[in-house]
Amino acid sequence: GAVVSQHPSWVICKSGTSVKIECRSLDFQATTMFWYRQFPKQSLMLMATSNEGSKATYEQGVEKDKFLINHASLTLSTLTVTSAHPEDSSFYICSARGRGASNQPQHFGDGTRLSIL
Amino acid sequence: GIQVEQSPPDLILQEGANSTLRCNFSDSVNNLQWFHQNPWGQLINLFYIPSGTKQNGRLSATTVATERYSLLYISSSQTTDSGVYFCAVVIRGYQKVTFGIGTKLQVIP
Repeated sequence: GAVVSQHPSWVICKSGTSVKIECRSLDFQATTMFWYRQFPKQSLMLMATSNEGSKATYEQGVEKDKFLINHASLTLSTLTVTSAHPEDSSFYICSARGRGASNQPQHFGDGTRLSIL
Repeated sequence: GIQVEQSPPDLILQEGANSTLRCNFSDSVNNLQWFHQNPWGQLINLFYIPSGTKQNGRLSATTVATERYSLLYISSSQTTDSGVYFCAVVIRGYQKVTFGIGTKLQVIP
């Protein structure tokens, strides 16, 4: 089946640091990738949708200058949390979808736990 | 926006018992998936089922798109089934995915 690799799986860093998370589709071309954030005991909240070669579409309330998304190729999208602060600590998950309409299934990475001290 | 409601929010089962989880959605969908999130946070894709019925081992799912609901059946539950089960949908004409709040399942020996 389709595989999505997300790295790193765990990050602990100091306040003010910028953190980059990578999401790779290993065996298919991901024309669309999604980034989610999940707080403890809550559901996944969509942060942004990125299509290869174009700017990401951010959900309402998500700061685009804070959460930089790049989808430069059909197999890689990155999320950079700039100048991270403790309130940015969360579980971040990416997903990828192949070519075709929105009726294609999503495939998820294993997530990144981000802890800002 | 689309509403996705899951029930029950919490469920405790004795090992070996059966259960049914429900997902109601407020609009026509192109895509519906059921996921199991294990205690480590990994999301396991269980079913891609915008309509119809599918079975995979002890799990099966049915989506009745015209009535806007989907059911996930777990038979002969095992402790490894514990975790949170999410329903996620994509409404027609959009690519955004909306998740339900999940059902937290605990299977006890």
